[in-house]
Amino acid sequence: DTGVSQDPRHKITKRGQNVTFRCDPISEHNRLYWYRQTLGQGPEFLTYFQNEAQLEKSRLLSDRFSAERPKGSFSTLEIQRTEQGDSAMYLCASSGSGGLETQYFGPGTRLLVL
Amino acid sequence: KQEVTQIPAALSVPEGENLVLNCSFTDSAIYNLQWFRQDPGKGLTSLLLIQSSQREQTSGRLNASLDKSSGRSTLYIAASQPGDSATYLCAVSAYTGANSKLTFGKGITLSVRP
Repeated sequence: DTGVSQDPRHKITKRGQNVTFRCDPISEHNRLYWYRQTLGQGPEFLTYFQNEAQLEKSRLLSDRFSAERPKGSFSTLEIQRTEQGDSAMYLCASSGSGGLETQYFGPGTRLLVL
Repeated sequence: KQEVTQIPAALSVPEGENLVLNCSFTDSAIYNLQWFRQDPGKGLTSLLLIQSSQREQTSGRLNASLDKSSGRSTLYIAASQPGDSATYLCAVSAYTGANSKLTFGKGITLSVRP
């Protein structure tokens, strides 16, 4: 098991374009989280999946953002009509189902919107 | 709303010094507390997880304590090394088994001078 992976690692896009990021969690983990981190800040919670069900979304997740986790495996996070304020590191984490378990983070996708 | 504070924002110490990093949180109804390490431009590496019923956890040169009633945690690093230079983030999870989303502090950037 190689841990949580994210793709791409870096993305540069122009304002108004759509982008999609992928996260592959640790294989036996059924919980998957997305966070966003801007420079000098701690990560902020965006959304959470248990298996394929999206159970919670932060108010930070505007209607331009959508996340999916088909079949409870990998997850995608799409941002439509990107804005410069979307520039950030997008982090994915996974954990087991007990609620007592450590969240394991991926390396992140750094997005720059020009 | 849970708020996590880490002060100071940055710390510089000479190699070999023992040091303590502080974390405080406003809502004591937490499920657990995690300390993470983040290297520049990278994802998060989990260092220690303390359950709400526990007082401390140890791993190698690291010891984390938790005082839930006062809303405080400390991360003790013994015999610091230049390789310990990184940002250390504290995060707490909400008191619900359904979603263990983490609320992070802004982190403390540690520099260990050779």
